[in-house]
Amino acid sequence: GAVVSQHPSWVICKSGTSVKIECRSLDFQATTMFWYRQFPKQSLMLMATSNEGSKATYEQGVEKDKFLINHASLTLSTLTVTSAHPEDSSFYICSASPGQAFSGNTIYFGEGSWLTVV
Amino acid sequence: AQSVTQPDIHITVSEGASLELRCNYSYGATPYLFWYVQSPGQGLQLLLKYFSGDTLVQGIKGFEAEFKRSQSSFNLRKPSVHWSDAAEYFCAVATGYSSASKIIFGSGTRLSIRP
Repeated sequence: GAVVSQHPSWVICKSGTSVKIECRSLDFQATTMFWYRQFPKQSLMLMATSNEGSKATYEQGVEKDKFLINHASLTLSTLTVTSAHPEDSSFYICSASPGQAFSGNTIYFGEGSWLTVV
Repeated sequence: AQSVTQPDIHITVSEGASLELRCNYSYGATPYLFWYVQSPGQGLQLLLKYFSGDTLVQGIKGFEAEFKRSQSSFNLRKPSVHWSDAAEYFCAVATGYSSASKIIFGSGTRLSIRP
């Protein structure tokens, strides 16, 4: 079945550096992908909608210059956390859906990426 | 705006007992509703979804959920829980009907199983 894969599964970086997380749809094309952030023991909060070939749409309160999203192809979206700080440490999850409509399809979530900023 | 409310933060049930996790949604039209489960440190697994049709939806692992429009609810049930069901459960609603629609999650309910 359709799979969404994230890489890396976990990453530790130094404060002030940037880190990139990839989200790939392995056997379907996704014009839209979504990025979520989940702090420990909290729910998933939508950060942004990644649109292939155009700018991402960010949710209110999410800094677009800090969380750079690139959706250069129909199977890959990347989230770059720039100048990371310890408060950016979180679990980042992406999702994507094949096709245009939900009916008969579903949304697939990546396995998530743990980011720890030290 | 669309929203999902899970009123129970933490529930503990005995192994073998029945379970019901509550979920209420706010949406102007017929919603697309989901239940996901997340084990500690893991990603999300879809338990079941409701798009249309039969309001009683069967999912994996013996779970089911019933869509009640009059109550704006989509409660998750299981007749007999197993210790392996201990996890975090999220109810979610889609904001539209296309693959470009957002998924809004509830705050989650943590399920603990008493031996």
